Amino acid sequence: DAGVTQSPTHLIKTRGQQVTLRCSPKSGHDTVSWYQQALGQGPQFIFQYYEEEERQRGNFPDRFSGHQFPNYSSELNVNALLLGDSALYLCASRWGQNTEAFFGQGTRLTVV
Amino acid sequence: QQQVKQSPQSLIVQKGGISIINCAYENTAFDYFPWYQQFPGKGPALLIAIRPDVSEKKEGRFTISFNKSAKQFSLHIMDSQPGDSATYFCAAMRYNFNKFYFGSGTKLNVKP
Repeated sequence: DAGVTQSPTHLIKTRGQQVTLRCSPKSGHDTVSWYQQALGQGPQFIFQYYEEEERQRGNFPDRFSGHQFPNYSSELNVNALLLGDSALYLCASRWGQNTEAFFGQGTRLTVV
Repeated sequence: QQQVKQSPQSLIVQKGGISIINCAYENTAFDYFPWYQQFPGKGPALLIAIRPDVSEKKEGRFTISFNKSAKQFSLHIMDSQPGDSATYFCAAMRYNFNKFYFGSGTKLNVKP
């Protein structure tokens, strides 16, 4: 079992650009959540996808959007990048309402 | 408003000693309290978790103590080892919402 896999592992973008991050959940998991972890901080919840719909959303602007595919994989899109968007973006997957969440290794996004 | 407050920010412990990390939460609706361990360049990994119907849970060298009336919980690492050196995050969640609120993290350094 490959666990939760995220791609790419590192990314450098210029302010104002758009970025897409990808996540493949752990086998058997159908719910995917995205978190932003700024340097030296705890992860902050962005949103959660289940059955291809956004089910919950944290306190993030509309520049942050996502998608879940029929195979449960997910994408996180960020438009009009700001320097403050530089962070580690984590994907977590779980099965249904099961509370145990498994995190991927994250994508380190640097905005210059 | 920070939902989960964690202390200390950093901790240095001698090998064989006890590491203690504390967290306090605001929302009495939270009903699942996990601790995550994160190594540099990796995503958080679930270490141990507790529900509020028990006051203590032990798994190997790791123990969670939970005080519902004080809205506090703590992680104790017995016989701390250099391999335990990592950043530890407490979190809280309301079961049906599947959205974690993380503390700000504690960087543990176990000296050999």
